[in-house]
Amino acid sequence: SQTIHQWPATLVQPVGSPLSLECTVEGTSNPNLYWYRQAAGRGLQLLFYSVGIGQISSEVPQNLSASRPQDRQFILSSKKLLLSDSGFYLCAWSGGLSNEQFFGPGTRLTVL
Amino acid sequence: GNSVTQMEGPVTLSEEAFLTINCTYTATGYPSLFWYVQYPGEGLQLLLKATKADDKGSNKGFEATYRKETTSFHLEKGSVQVSDSAVYFCALIPYLTGGGNKLTFGTGTQLKVEL
Repeated sequence: SQTIHQWPATLVQPVGSPLSLECTVEGTSNPNLYWYRQAAGRGLQLLFYSVGIGQISSEVPQNLSASRPQDRQFILSSKKLLLSDSGFYLCAWSGGLSNEQFFGPGTRLTVL
Repeated sequence: GNSVTQMEGPVTLSEEAFLTINCTYTATGYPSLFWYVQYPGEGLQLLLKATKADDKGSNKGFEATYRKETTSFHLEKGSVQVSDSAVYFCALIPYLTGGGNKLTFGTGTQLKVEL
């Protein structure tokens, strides 16, 4: 069966520091991968998606970037965090004939 | 563009009450429609889905019917339990995605069920 992992689970970082969040998927090949952000009291916003290694599409302009160095690895990064980057970051995957997305447990990021 | 509108919460109900969470959408063609649930401190889980008009998705006592004529996908449950307390998200994937199955979410509706 397929599983999706995210780490770290929680992170507290100072403004201006770098960021690296990791997401890995097991049990499937060539998945579509997604990064979402859920700000406090708000819905989910799609940040990036990837349909293959090295292929990244950005949905909104922002202080973040994404990379996919391996088929089942998706990384969210920033060179300098802003206060507004605080939130709950969710990774998801989809694949095969179904358009259903499966979500990871999330990373709660607090920027101070 | 595509959008999803949900009723604002929080919704507070007594155990065994009837639940309705309204969801309407804007999209071209025939999108796929989803309800996701987020329990406190966790990621999202797919609750149910429907992929064409008049389809009814159901799971764990929850139901939602894809109504093309009213562009709606309201979530219902006949008798809620305390364990149903969570945030519920309505979402869609457009029929033609242009690469990647990108979900458009509503803002979420928090449900609180009390004894």
